[in-house]
This record gives sequence, C-alpha cells and structure tokens, in this order.
Amino acid sequence: EPEVTQTPSHQVTQMGQEVILRCVPISNHLYFYWYRQILGQKVEFLVSFYNNEISEKSEIFDDQFSVERPDGSNFTLKIRSTKLEDSAMYFCASSEWAVANYGYTFGSGTRLTVV
Amino acid sequence: SQQGEEDPQALSIQEGENATMNCSYKTSINNLQWYRQNSGRGLVHLILIRSNEREKHSGRLRVTLDTSKKSSSLLITASRAADTASYFCATDAWDNNNDMRFGAGTRLTVKP
Repeated sequence: EPEVTQTPSHQVTQMGQEVILRCVPISNHLYFYWYRQILGQKVEFLVSFYNNEISEKSEIFDDQFSVERPDGSNFTLKIRSTKLEDSAMYFCASSEWAVANYGYTFGSGTRLTVV
Repeated sequence: SQQGEEDPQALSIQEGENATMNCSYKTSINNLQWYRQNSGRGLVHLILIRSNEREKHSGRLRVTLDTSKKSSSLLITASRAADTASYFCATDAWDNNNDMRFGAGTRLTVKP
C-alpha cells in the first residue's frame, strides 16, 4: 500500500538553528499538509499546499516556517530559527482530492527536539 | 472554530467491552473522520462520515453523526488490547479550505 515517508524520524537541534523536515507524499496525490503534535496534546494544522503554493496556513505557521516542493517528489517544512516550543511531532499528510472525501494519508512523523 | 473536541479525554475498559468516544464541533462541516494513533506513531484513517450521513459501520467500528447537535460518536465493539491507542476526530469545512482540523483525542486503554 502506498505510504507517506518522513525523514528523519527523530531530530535534535540547538535552539536558534534551522531545521528541514522532509516528506515524500504518495506519488499521485496533489494536496499536501503539515500538522504538528506537541507531546500528549492535540494535532494542530500548520499548512496546506497545492499547485506549488500555500492554500492555507494557521496562526502557528508564522514567518519562521516555510514549505517547499523542491522537486517532483519531496515536500519539506523548514523552521528557520527553532525555539524550545517548536519541540513536537511533525506529521506530513497527502491526499488525492481537495476535499478530504477519503481521508488523508499520514506519515509516521518526525520527532523534533529543540534543546 | 470547526475543530472537534473529544470526550472523554481518557477511557479505560476491559477487553471484550464496548468503547464509546464522542466528538463535538462548532461549525457546519463537510465530513467528519476518525483517526487512530498508536503511542508516538502516525495517524491512521479509520472511517469517514459525510455530513448527509447519520451512521456508518466498518468492521467493529460504528460511527454516528448528528449534525443538529454537531456531534459524532465512535463505538468500538468487543474491544481488544490491540485497540489501545488515541482516537481523534477530524472535521473539514468549506470555510477552512476543506483542510482537516483535529480535536484533542481520547486515550483508550483496553486491559487484557
């Protein structure tokens, strides 16, 4: 069954450093998403992406965050200058359709720890 | 906010019992979905119910939707220890670009 792949599975970074989280969505999917989950808390929407541009972003997704689809397969989330409160699981998801009629397929997540 | 809110926050039952989790939301939605998350892992799509549907079944799962009360329930029948996980409801709506928004989840523990 097709999967969404995220790398790395765990990243530890110093506060103030830049991190890039990588995702390979399912190949025929056109809509891409990033969510994050602070440990034990709810899953929060960050951003959706379609046709090489952001469709929508939440208030969490400030100027420190950016997304990119640098080639035909990867979808990345960059955090420019990490803060302690950025420590969370970051999930990438993709879907074939704009309206979530069949659900999103999520990756296994990247655990980001900012120290 | 369209975001779902689940209750209870945590539920502990014995194997073989049924587990019922509820979700409430605030605005009109297109679809409501339930996802499962094993500890520290990704989210797995379980079932989707559209706003014009009232009930849906998938194996041991039964989902209901009451749009007048803006609420949904997920019933897991004959629970097993392997059902231990967190369960999240997620909604999408036209006014949020159809992107899904999740609730805080219910942590289900099924004791063997």
